[in-house]
Parts: sequence; structure tokens; C-alpha cells
Amino acid sequence: DTGVSQNPRHKITKRGQNVTFRCDPISEHNRLYWYRQTLGQGPEFLTYFQNEAQLEKSRLLSDRFSAERPKGSFSTLEIQRTEQGDSAMYLCASSLGSSGGGRTDTQYFGPGTRLTVL
Amino acid sequence: DQQVKQNSPSLSVQEGRISILNCDYTNSMFDYFLWYKKYPAEGPTFLISISSIKDKNEDGRFTVFLNKSAKHLSLHIVPSQPGDSAVYFCAAKGGADGLTFGKGTHLIIQP
Repeated sequence: DTGVSQNPRHKITKRGQNVTFRCDPISEHNRLYWYRQTLGQGPEFLTYFQNEAQLEKSRLLSDRFSAERPKGSFSTLEIQRTEQGDSAMYLCASSLGSSGGGRTDTQYFGPGTRLTVL
Repeated sequence: DQQVKQNSPSLSVQEGRISILNCDYTNSMFDYFLWYKKYPAEGPTFLISISSIKDKNEDGRFTVFLNKSAKHLSLHIVPSQPGDSAVYFCAAKGGADGLTFGKGTHLIIQP
């Protein structure tokens, strides 16, 4: 399977614990995105990388959240001191990052990691 | 403030008929629009997109129409099939690189 993969698919944790999720993009894609989706809502943009550089962060990304993409391939999203409000589906997407600034760049999503904070 | 709105939470259509899903946006900076389909417990799957320089794009049974003056787009599926039952999300992009999504429309295809 050459699509976007995410691990783990499910994570249950207690409030106050730290969690880390991993995303492996489609191999030739140089852009990688993180989104969060809560019940009844569409996905909400969190942050994105062009290769290893984190170029944009949403105001939704509080200081308890950190994302990395150290070698421009896979990415991790860490949430420190989890809160019940962090319970959501965390989605990763990747895109080719075509010429022209990528304005018509299509993002392809992984299956998501469902986080439940007790 | 919802910049992308899908005002119908659900839509029921008979198999073989046309399904029309609507989406409105408020941000004039949006210039690229996409439709995604989502099954439960899966990530969104890309369906079709349209750039603001066009007013129509077709791909098989799926056609997206864009009316820039009305800030409105629609997805037509014809003929509708049972496997089309899913949640459909409209998404928009412009300026920033993250997509802005609507809340989705749950399409139910009835036999």
C-alpha cells in the first residue's frame, strides 16, 4: 500500500499523560499536513511541513502540541499533558508540492489516529 | 465563523437518481476547492477538485460546479450508487496552505 499511513490507529490515555502519533506520507510527497477532527465537524488544520521545515501553524496548535519532520520523510505529533478536550481524530495528509507554490496541490489523507483522553 | 458551509447535514437520494451536494463559502481569497468522501473510521478520500479559473470539472459520475459570484459550489453524482453512501466534505484553499473544511453532508442512497 503506497498511501499515507498513521500509527497507532487508536490511543486511549489518561488526562495529563503525553502521547505521540506518527505519520508516514506518500513517498514522493514533500508536503505533510496535520488536521484534527471532532465529532460533527470537518477536519481542522493544525500545521504543515514543506520537507523538514514547519511553515505554518494554526492558532489551534497550543503550546502543548509539537510536530516534527526531522528528515523530511515521516512526521510525529506530540501532545503533552493531555486534556479531555484533546479527544479527537488526528489526521495526516500529504501532497506533492507541485510548482506554482502548490496552490492546486491535492492533499491525500491517512486513516487517522483516534485519541481518547479519560 | 464558518468560512465553508454545508447547510444540509444529511441528504437521502434514490439509487440511480442524481445526488446534488451544496457548499457555500465566504472567504474571497479561496481559489481552489475540493470534495472529499469519508466512510466511518477512515480518513477522507479525495474525489474531485476545481480551480477558480474554471466553472465546471467532470470526472466520471462526479461533476463539480463553481459559481464564484455567488460563492457557491456543488457536487453532482449521477447515477447515484449504494457505495456512494458516505459523508461528503467540501474544502477550500487560498493564501494559507491548510484546507478549510465544511461540516459535511451525510449522503444516504436508498435502494
